[in-house]
Amino acid sequence: GIQVEQSPPDLILQEGANSTLRCNFSDSVNNLQWFHQNPWGQLINLFYIPSGTKQNGRLSATTVATERYSLLYISSSQTTDSGVYFCAVVSGNTPLVFGKGTRLSVIA
Amino acid sequence: EPEVTQTPSHQVTQMGQEVILRCVPISNHLYFYWYRQILGQKVEFLVSFYNNEISEKSEIFDDQFSVERPDGSNFTLKIRSTKLEDSAMYFCASSVDRGTEYFGPGTRLTVT
Repeated sequence: GIQVEQSPPDLILQEGANSTLRCNFSDSVNNLQWFHQNPWGQLINLFYIPSGTKQNGRLSATTVATERYSLLYISSSQTTDSGVYFCAVVSGNTPLVFGKGTRLSVIA
Repeated sequence: EPEVTQTPSHQVTQMGQEVILRCVPISNHLYFYWYRQILGQKVEFLVSFYNNEISEKSEIFDDQFSVERPDGSNFTLKIRSTKLEDSAMYFCASSVDRGTEYFGPGTRLTVT
């Protein structure tokens, strides 16, 4: 099945800093989603982005489907951005396959 | 904005007991899913449900698991005889088509 690799596994940022999280996948995809899992365990859908670029406030995402990667940009990070960021993909008719996530800690 | 809801938020049960986890998907969605996340690990697919039947299931979804859509709004996951290793966060999700999946807040299941 499709493999999803996320990097870095852990990231510590000072409040106000910018960061880029990466998601590589091993096959063509027809769905890619980015999620934020908050400290209470809830999975918040950030982007549905099988290709192209989207922005939502301080967050933006870019997926280059032909090169099999997606990037999540967080600008001017805040402590509330802390948590785990997951990339998940659908390839063909498979269910969502999640990566292992990037654990982000933003310190004041 | 419509959202997926799940109850209970936390369930504690003894090994060997049956549990039913409940979900109310978004009302116009047609595809329903259950995922689980063991503490500290990634989210894993369990089962998908469409047109009143299971459309796909993973190896994790063995005979002790079952799903049901008993009425027009609820979608349930039953674990017949819980084991310690069933302790996890269980997420329900729904989608209109095979596009964006919207996740509920999860049910944390603790088996003692």
